[in-house]
Amino acid sequence: GEEVAQTPKHLVRGEGQKAKLYCAPIKGHSYVFWYQQVLKNEFKFLISFQNENVFDETGMPKERFSAKCLPNSPCSLEIQATKLEDSAVYFCASSPSSQGSRYGYTFGSGTRLTVV
Amino acid sequence: GQNIDQPTEMTATEGAIVQINCTYQTSGFNGLFWYQQHAGEAPTFLSYNVLDGLEEKGRFSSFLSRSKGYSYLLLKELQMKDSASYLCAVREGNTPLVFGKGTRLSVIA
Repeated sequence: GEEVAQTPKHLVRGEGQKAKLYCAPIKGHSYVFWYQQVLKNEFKFLISFQNENVFDETGMPKERFSAKCLPNSPCSLEIQATKLEDSAVYFCASSPSSQGSRYGYTFGSGTRLTVV
Repeated sequence: GQNIDQPTEMTATEGAIVQINCTYQTSGFNGLFWYQQHAGEAPTFLSYNVLDGLEEKGRFSSFLSRSKGYSYLLLKELQMKDSASYLCAVREGNTPLVFGKGTRLSVIA
C-alpha cells in the first residue's frame, strides 16, 4: 500500500501486562523504523530493520522490549511487563533506503499506548 | 551525536510570516528535514536540505547553513490550519533521523 499502516490505534494495558503493536510498511520500502514519542514531542529512536534483519537497535531498551519484521507479515514491537513510563505514542516509519531518501521517512499514524 | 535545539512555542497572526529556527551540532551531517505534526497525528514531510541555501515550496521555505549548524523554516501567508508542531530532524551519516523537541506554533486571528 501507499501508507504505513499501524494497528491498533489505541491500546490500554495494566501495569505488568504485555503490549504488542503492529506496522505494515509501504510496499517496496525495505527499511522500517520505530520511534517512541512521549510528552513534549520528544521522539526517541528505538530500532530499525532492513527487511527482516535488525539494522540499528541502539535505542532499544535492553529489557522488556523486542521487535521483529518477518517475511509476509506486519512488523511488530512487543513490550513485556509494561510500566507506567511506557505510556507514549509509538510511531512506525518506512523508507526505501537506510538514509531515508530526500523525503525522509513516511510515518504511520501511530499507536497510543496507555499503561494504567 | 546530534544536539538539536528549536524554540518550544511560537504564536503568529493569520496572514503573517513566521520563521522557526533550528540549530544543531553534529559530525558527518547528511541532511536536515522539517516535518509538520498536527495534534494526535503522524508527522508529515515538509522539506529537505542537504546543501546550503534556500529551498522553496509554495508557502513554505527552508534554509540551511551547514557552517553555522543552522536552519530555519519560513511559513508565509499563515493560515489557521498551520497551527501544529514543527519538527526539525537531522541525519548524521547512515544513522536514523534524530528529532528536535518540536516547536508548537499557534496561529491566531
